[in-house]
Amino acid sequence: QSVLTQPPSASGAPGQRVTISCSGSSSNIGSNYVFWYQRLPGTAPKLLISYNDERPSGVPDRFSGSKSGTSASLAISGLRSEDEADYYCAARDDSLSGPVVFGGGTKLTVL
Amino acid sequence: QVQLVQSGAEVKKPGASVKVSCKASGYTFSGYYLHWVRQAPGQGPEWMGWINPESGGTKYARNFQDRVTMTRDTSISTVYMELRRLRSDDTAVYYCARDAVYQLPDFNFDSWGQGTLVIVSS
Repeated sequence: QSVLTQPPSASGAPGQRVTISCSGSSSNIGSNYVFWYQRLPGTAPKLLISYNDERPSGVPDRFSGSKSGTSASLAISGLRSEDEADYYCAARDDSLSGPVVFGGGTKLTVL
Repeated sequence: QVQLVQSGAEVKKPGASVKVSCKASGYTFSGYYLHWVRQAPGQGPEWMGWINPESGGTKYARNFQDRVTMTRDTSISTVYMELRRLRSDDTAVYYCARDAVYQLPDFNFDSWGQGTLVIVSS
């Protein structure tokens, strides 16, 4: 059972906008930065969003992150077939669960 | 470019140990912490610990503290993760991941190895 809660699946048609949620608590998302990772089929995870809403170099601006209270969201606009992947959120955690916790992952299907 | 290349898949019996390697290239090995993260089938990732390649200092997750050892060999820019007393629920893909921040464990994993599948089965 992961500390951060994500929906197991999400889907959207090409060109659409999809959001993936990540719910936590005051000891993790509520007081620390959120990171998002993308894992394409058969590949290693890739850092997608740092520090709640920053895109590392090379990540398209179709990907955006936000945080409010103890929840965070990843939004993907202009959905493409190559976005079909598993997405994971992560955050530092100040409780005994820490120092870093992950979500269970959301499998995004592009219809 | 930053590359982390891990050793190949392993099949182990319960009670045995496994040692996974992660060879770094494309950056100053001693400058960035390396973490180990595992992902069991159908589950989210789980952080196991980090190693400071410069000093060899380590920090382990509570769940693994008595079973894991992380070491490094600076001469070949390689870190190792050894997990002992394996159980069937240790079956997972094990990843090494580089921390993005220079000489600080920021838990911001900007590069990952390709993963090493460890299967524990009698």
